[in-house]
Amino acid sequence: SAVISQKPSRDICQRGTSLTIQCQVDSQVTMMFWYRQQPGQSLTLIATANQGSEATYESGFVIDKFPISRPNLTFSTLTVSNMSPEDSSIYLCSVESAHGQYFGPGTRLTVT
Amino acid sequence: GENVEQHPSTLSVQEGDSAVIKCTYSDSASNYFPWYKQELGKRPQLIIDIRSNVGEKKDQRIAVTLNKTAKHFSLHITETQPEDSAVYFCAASMNNAGKSTFGDGTTLTVKP
Repeated sequence: SAVISQKPSRDICQRGTSLTIQCQVDSQVTMMFWYRQQPGQSLTLIATANQGSEATYESGFVIDKFPISRPNLTFSTLTVSNMSPEDSSIYLCSVESAHGQYFGPGTRLTVT
Repeated sequence: GENVEQHPSTLSVQEGDSAVIKCTYSDSASNYFPWYKQELGKRPQLIIDIRSNVGEKKDQRIAVTLNKTAKHFSLHITETQPEDSAVYFCAASMNNAGKSTFGDGTTLTVKP
């Protein structure tokens, strides 16, 4: 199974600011995925991050709000831009392997 | 796009009883159906999965069944234990396990 780490684990941010979340995987993976889990809710896919190309965003999510970088096969970042309280959520990165999908520990974001 | 419905939203059973959680999906092209367990404050963990070329899969006390014609799949937990208490999510995807559509989750409580 893949070992995934995320930074920061949690943060409290002010409205209007931006936060960049880092995701590191212990092995090379073709695709990395970013999910959002709002309090008490299910997981929603934000985008798929491919190395060497632009991320693919799901309906309702746009690059200006959630820019993603994928500089190599083990690392990705998700930025939450111009934050509002509605962005308060847990953000999880994820990878797929031959044995299924694995999630990072998540970044708990609170926007005040 | 894919839509996954999950029932029930909450389930309470006595220790030793069985628990069944059901999901339906809308996209007949979906061919991979994982189940995740998420304990409070932790990341989702894959517990079992099934592909569309298989009708049933079992792993100790956990089993999953798939009815492709009816487009529904179920999680069965036998001899439940208090440590089975968690939120369970079903998901569906097409080929790409990392790009999944999740159900809304079922909060399972096992009473000792």
